[in-house]
Amino acid sequence: DTAVSQTPKYLVTQMGNDKSIKCEQNLGHDTMYWYKQDSKKFLKIMFSYNNKELIINETVPNRFSPKSPDKAHLNLHINSLELGDSAVYFCASSQKGTAFNYGYTFGSGTRLTVV
Amino acid sequence: AQSVTQLDSHVSVSEGTPVLLRCNYSSSYSPSLFWYVQHPNKGLQLLLKYTSAATLVKGINGFEAEFKKSETSFHLTKPSAHMSDAAEYFCVVSEGTGFQKLVFGTGTRLLVSP
Repeated sequence: DTAVSQTPKYLVTQMGNDKSIKCEQNLGHDTMYWYKQDSKKFLKIMFSYNNKELIINETVPNRFSPKSPDKAHLNLHINSLELGDSAVYFCASSQKGTAFNYGYTFGSGTRLTVV
Repeated sequence: AQSVTQLDSHVSVSEGTPVLLRCNYSSSYSPSLFWYVQHPNKGLQLLLKYTSAATLVKGINGFEAEFKKSETSFHLTKPSAHMSDAAEYFCVVSEGTGFQKLVFGTGTRLLVSP
């Protein structure tokens, strides 16, 4: 199936731990994104990569570090997890220059719970 | 900078009655506008999009939206609600300058009662 897939779907961890969320797309897109959805359902962009190059870096604590080994993958690593990091994290992809016309394709989300 | 305002955090309708979810946008340029839907514990699905072609846009599941530049609005409608329409709906704007970023509204929860 052509899609954006994220793993894991659920992640429960203790404060202070380090964790990673993986994202892969097989749509041939060259741009990938991470969005955070808070408890009020508000979605805010965190990062965007185009062909492994960081192009959008919103105001995000430097405990969050995206890594893009190739244009089909964008992983999110989070150090020293805090209670406020609990949220649903969505990965998305698009082709440069076409998001304007076609929007993004989203993954199904990773629900992170920090206890 | 572009932004969208969804005027209602919750909308309640009865099954079979019309749906209206309101969205106003702000953009320095000619924007693209989208509606996404999120069913409980699910990902985001594109319902429809406006990209400067026809101002009345038809989407999936019987939803429509009309772009009104004079009112800077992009309201989502459906003639007859179905129970399966109960979900969170997001109005989204993108500007076609450089790398396009989608900016989401705060969402409207649609509740459908029998």
